[in-house]
Amino acid sequence: QVQLQESGPGLVKPSETLSLTCTVSGGSIRSYYWSWIRQPPGKGLEWIGFIYYTGSTNYNPSLKSRVTISVDTSKNQLSLKLTSVTAADTAVYYCARDKGYCNGGNCYPLNWFDPWGQGTLVTVSS
Amino acid sequence: DIQMTQSPSSLSASVGDRVTITCRASQSINSYLNWYQQKPGKAPNLLIYAASSLQSGVPSRFSGSGSGTDFTLTISSLQPEDFATYFCQQSYSTPITFGPGTKVDIK
Repeated sequence: QVQLQESGPGLVKPSETLSLTCTVSGGSIRSYYWSWIRQPPGKGLEWIGFIYYTGSTNYNPSLKSRVTISVDTSKNQLSLKLTSVTAADTAVYYCARDKGYCNGGNCYPLNWFDPWGQGTLVTVSS
Repeated sequence: DIQMTQSPSSLSASVGDRVTITCRASQSINSYLNWYQQKPGKAPNLLIYAASSLQSGVPSRFSGSGSGTDFTLTISSLQPEDFATYFCQQSYSTPITFGPGTKVDIK
C-alpha cells in the first residue's frame, strides 16, 4: 500500500526557510491531491495547503505569504517551503494524501486525508 | 474560516463503555465532516469520512452521525486500543480546519 515519508532538517534558525520533502512509495503521486498539515507539540492540527499532481495549489491564508508547495512527479515527491520561520512554526509536519474525485473531466479534492506520513519534528531555534 | 469545537475536551472511560464525542461547526457544513484517531507519537488515522462513512479497515464499533453544524462520533464498546485523542475536521471549504481534539483515557 502507499506509504509517505517526510524528510528534512530537524532544526531551523529563526528567519530562515524550512524545507521538507515527502516521498511517496508503493503508489504514484499522479491523480491525487497531497496536503501538508502541522501540529505544534501538544497542540492541535493546522492545515498548511494542498497541491494536485498537476501543480495547482491551495494554501491556508494564514500562511499563504510564506508557503510554497511543489511536486516532482518524476521523483514521486512533494515539497514544502516555509520562509521567515519563527518559534511559532515549531511543529511536527505531516504530508497526507487526498484521493479526490473527478466528474465530467474536472477533478476536485475531497479534503479528507488517508494515509499520512509518520511526521517529522521541526524545531525553530537559534 | 469555519471554526470547529469539540466536547468534551477529555473523558475517562472503561473498557466496554459506550463513548460519544461531539463536534460542532461555526456554520453549516452539510455532511463534510471527518473524524481521526491519533495515538501518542503517531500520525492521525482516518476513521470516518463524510460524517458517517466508515473508512476501510476501521472497526465497526466506530460510527459517526450528524449534518449541518452538529456531529457525533460514537464508540459502541471501548477497547484498550481505543484510548487516544480524536479530532474532527471539516472538508466543506478551505482553509480546512480541525477541532481541538478529545482525549479519551482510562478510568
